[in-house]
This record gives sequence, structure tokens and C-alpha cells, in this order.
Amino acid sequence: GQQLNQSPQSMFIQEGEDVSMNCTSSSIFNTWLWYKQDPGEGPVLLIALYKAGELTSNGRLTAQFGITRKDSFLNISASIPSDVGIYFCAGLEYGNKLVFGAGTILRVKS
Amino acid sequence: DAGITQSPRHKVTETGTPVTLRCHQTENHRYMYWYRQDPGHGLRLIHYSYGVKDTDKGEVSDGYSVSRSKTEDFLLTLESATSSQTSVYFCAIRDSRSGDGKLFFGSGTQLSVL
Repeated sequence: GQQLNQSPQSMFIQEGEDVSMNCTSSSIFNTWLWYKQDPGEGPVLLIALYKAGELTSNGRLTAQFGITRKDSFLNISASIPSDVGIYFCAGLEYGNKLVFGAGTILRVKS
Repeated sequence: DAGITQSPRHKVTETGTPVTLRCHQTENHRYMYWYRQDPGHGLRLIHYSYGVKDTDKGEVSDGYSVSRSKTEDFLLTLESATSSQTSVYFCAIRDSRSGDGKLFFGSGTQLSVL
């Protein structure tokens, strides 16, 4: 199956900092999605992207669908403690199946 | 809340025993999915269903079977559990009203095979 490479694997945030993460693929996707997972819960959809070059915001979150259709980016502005968790990118395959990246773990810097 | 309930939430079992996990939805969605989550791998698709009695394999289907005899229930069975199947299992539904690709997940089942 297709592989999504998500980076960084983990990062520490300090309240107020901006955060960036990205996802790349060896294949083209027509839809990219970003999910967040809190401990003990299932992933929750943050943003869906449907067109190359598209830039979409959801509050302090902004995601972009790369022009090549092989990558996507997620930015979090002015991070707050509740932003910690695992962030997953996902691409939509033929047959309405999502393939996921390995996740980016966001932790709070102490 | 997408109306998805997974049961049980936690299970400990022994190698070689059969295990069935249940996913129940209340909103009549056509597509349902089973994923497993393991560190370093993200979520990987096991099986999915596109209607009653219509199922297909995902990326990591070996050792698993599924059944969907009615719209609201999608069962995942491990015929003979192995330690490599220790994982967190998530059920998801596709809400066709929300646009392509939007899957909504249940809260997961933590399965430990000893």
C-alpha cells in the first residue's frame, strides 16, 4: 500500500509558540485530512483538503494541500496546553479508504 | 458525536483464543472500517464494509475476519489470537453527508494477547 511519511515524529511546544508539521507521499492523493488524537480516545477530524494548493483554516489551525498533490502541511499558531496529543495526516485512496501517517506527538516543554 | 460505540473497551485474552470486537453505529452509515493502531505505524486498515454482507480486505487483514449482517453492526473476529495482535483497535464510519474521505472514529478497544 501507499506510505505516508510524517515529520517530525515528536516535538515539544511552549505555550504561545507556532508549530509546523508535514506529510509526504510517494503517490498522489486527491484528498488530504488531518486528525488529532487525545489519550484514550479515537482520532478526531481537524481539517479536510480537496484541491491542490488549497489552504484551509480551523481556528488556530491552518492546513495546506501541496501543489504536487504529494504533500500536506499543518500549522498551529499560538499553541496552548490542550494542543498536546498525536496529530495524523491521512490521504484518501481509491475505494474510500484512508491511509495514515505514523503521527506527530506534540508534548509540552517543561 | 458520530454515534459509534465500540465494545469491549478493554480486553485481555490468551494466545490461541478467539476474540470478537463489536462496532455499533446509530446513524445508518453505509461504510464502516476497522483499523489497528501501533506505535510507529499510525493507523492501518484491517477490513472495511460498504454495505450489509459487503466487505473487503485492508492492508493488514491476515488473521482477522469481519461480518456485517445488519447496517448498524460491524464485527471484527480474531479466530486464534496471537501476541502480535495486541493493539488498539478503532472502528470508523464514513459520513457520506460530510464529503469525501471524512471518517469518524470510535473510542477504541485496547486488546492485550498474553
